[in-house]
Parts: sequence; C-alpha cells; structure tokens
Amino acid sequence: GAVVSQHPSRVICKSGTSVKIECRSLDFQATTMFWYRQFPKQSLMLMATSNEGSKATYEQGVEKDKFLINHASLTLSTLTVTSAHPEDSSFYICSAQLWEDGNTIYFGEGSWLTVV
Amino acid sequence: AQSVAQPEDQVNVAEGNPLTVKCTYSVSGNPYLFWYVQYPNRGLQFLLKYITGDNLVKGSYGFEAEFNKSQTSFHLKKPSALVSDSALYFCAVRDLNTGFQKLVFGTGTRLLVSP
Repeated sequence: GAVVSQHPSRVICKSGTSVKIECRSLDFQATTMFWYRQFPKQSLMLMATSNEGSKATYEQGVEKDKFLINHASLTLSTLTVTSAHPEDSSFYICSAQLWEDGNTIYFGEGSWLTVV
Repeated sequence: AQSVAQPEDQVNVAEGNPLTVKCTYSVSGNPYLFWYVQYPNRGLQFLLKYITGDNLVKGSYGFEAEFNKSQTSFHLKKPSALVSDSALYFCAVRDLNTGFQKLVFGTGTRLLVSP
C-alpha cells in the first residue's frame, strides 16, 4: 500500500503557542488529503478536507482560524494549531487519497499533541 | 447522509477460532466500503475495500469481508484468529455517487484474541 508520513509523532507545546503537523505522501501524489482528530477510545472525527492548491473545506464546528490547513504541493499538507489550549490536546491523523488505487485513503501514523 | 454502524464495542475470540466483526452502512447511492485496523497509539492501516465486483473481498493478513447489499452489511471475517490480530477495527463508507468524498467511520470494534 501507499505510505503516508506524519511528523512529529509527539509534540508538547505551551498554551497560547502554535504548533505545526506535517503530512506527506511518500510514494504518490495526493490531490486530496484529510485531517482527522481522535479522542481516547473514540472514533475518528473528520476535521477538514484539503485539496492541493485550494482552500480546505472544514467540517461543521471546526474553527478554520484555529486549525489552519495548507496543501501547497501534491505531497505535503500541514495542519497548524494556532493559540493552542489544553482542550486541543488530542491525537491528530492525516490521510491521503490515492486516485490510482480506487480512491483508497491511506493514513499516517498520527501525531499526539499535548498542550500544557 | 452516509453512516456506519458497528454494533459491538468489543469482540472476544480464542486464538484459532473464526472471527467476525460486524458492520452495517447507510448511503443514498452506491457505497465504497473499507476496513481499517488501528494498533495502540498508531495510525490506521488499510485492510480491504469493496468498490464493485465480487461480494467477497480478500484483504491483508488473511482478513476478508462480504458485501451484502440487501442487508446493507460489510462484515469483516477471518477463518482463524491470531493473538496479534487484537486491535481496534474500523469500518468506513464513502458515497461517491452523490459526490460525497468524505470517508465516514463507525465507532470501532475492539477485537481481543485470547491465547
């Protein structure tokens, strides 16, 4: 299957600061990437759909000014959590769509964000 | 709107026995169905998918799933469970016929395989 790399795997930041998480498709080009958030022992919640070269589409209830998503190239999407607060602490998972594989979506390993 | 139901929070099975993890779906058009597995503190790994064709789909690690349109189900199965199969399993659906690109997940089922 296709490989999606996510970095960093774990990050701790102070309340009020911003943190960036990178998502890369390593062996394919991804015109569409997705960002999910997962709370402990819960399912994945789609935050936004990111299309290369255009603005991300956010799900209802997700603050676009707080969770900035950039998809500047066909292999890289970034999620920036701005002015982070402890309640933003969570597991963030990115994924990328491989058109050549029947639009299968492949996931990164996830990033643990802890805001202190 | 599309949705997925995984009625069991946890499935317990002894090693060597067959396992089934249930999934039912609801879409307005034709479904694209997926199974993913998640190990602790890790991302999701793709197991298998159904888009069209044979109703029985074979995937990674010996898993398979059967698409049943009349029952709107896509249950995950494996003939002989391994302890290493213990993980969290997610069923997901996309409804591309309506241009709905989102992948919607079920709540997940924890599989526990005992030695």
